[in-house]
Amino acid sequence: DGGITQSPKYLFRKEGQNVTLSCEQNLNHDAMYWYRQDPGQGLRLIYYSQIVNDFQKGDIAEGYSVSREKKESFPLTVTSAQKNPTAFYLCASSITLGQAFFGQGTRLTVV
Amino acid sequence: KQEVTQIPAALSVPEGENLVLNCSFTDSAIYNLQWFRQDPGKGLTSLLLIQSSQREQTSGRLNASLDKSSGRSTLYIAASQPGDSATYLCAVITQGGSEKLVFGKGTKLTVNP
Repeated sequence: DGGITQSPKYLFRKEGQNVTLSCEQNLNHDAMYWYRQDPGQGLRLIYYSQIVNDFQKGDIAEGYSVSREKKESFPLTVTSAQKNPTAFYLCASSITLGQAFFGQGTRLTVV
Repeated sequence: KQEVTQIPAALSVPEGENLVLNCSFTDSAIYNLQWFRQDPGKGLTSLLLIQSSQREQTSGRLNASLDKSSGRSTLYIAASQPGDSATYLCAVITQGGSEKLVFGKGTKLTVNP
């Protein structure tokens, strides 16, 4: 069953903690993306990667980190430096300049 | 910097009506434009992809058009159904824009039975 899998679906973070969101795809796509969605703000790009072992900052990268050690995996770490991490996080993948496919999202809440 | 605007922000129609959602973008040098659907609390579902050389794409009751020179796209939904209720987003990849998708804020559609 091909697609993009994000886990967990819900995540709770205490103040000062780092948390990692998982994104895995079996579509053999080169490009992967992380977006943050807040009410009334639309989707904002955090990081993206066009190829293994390479990634670029998006519009709101501060307080986040990523790695791309394998083609199928693009985990996102929300660090303690991110002051307002409560949001809905979406991962996507595509062939270069092709149709993008999204996972079902992870809802992160600070407690 | 590419900016994508979607008007209206919300739309409510009776079942069976044909409707048009609008998307405009400021930089016409795009590779492609995509339309997505998002249900509450869910991820995005890709509906249609239009390459920059194309004028339109169709899938079932959906038809998307692209006028690159004027920076506009429309999504036409025929014979709307309550199941079409969702937020519809458009996104573009800009040439020379590091190949990333830039999204509009979406149009929230409600189809009333």
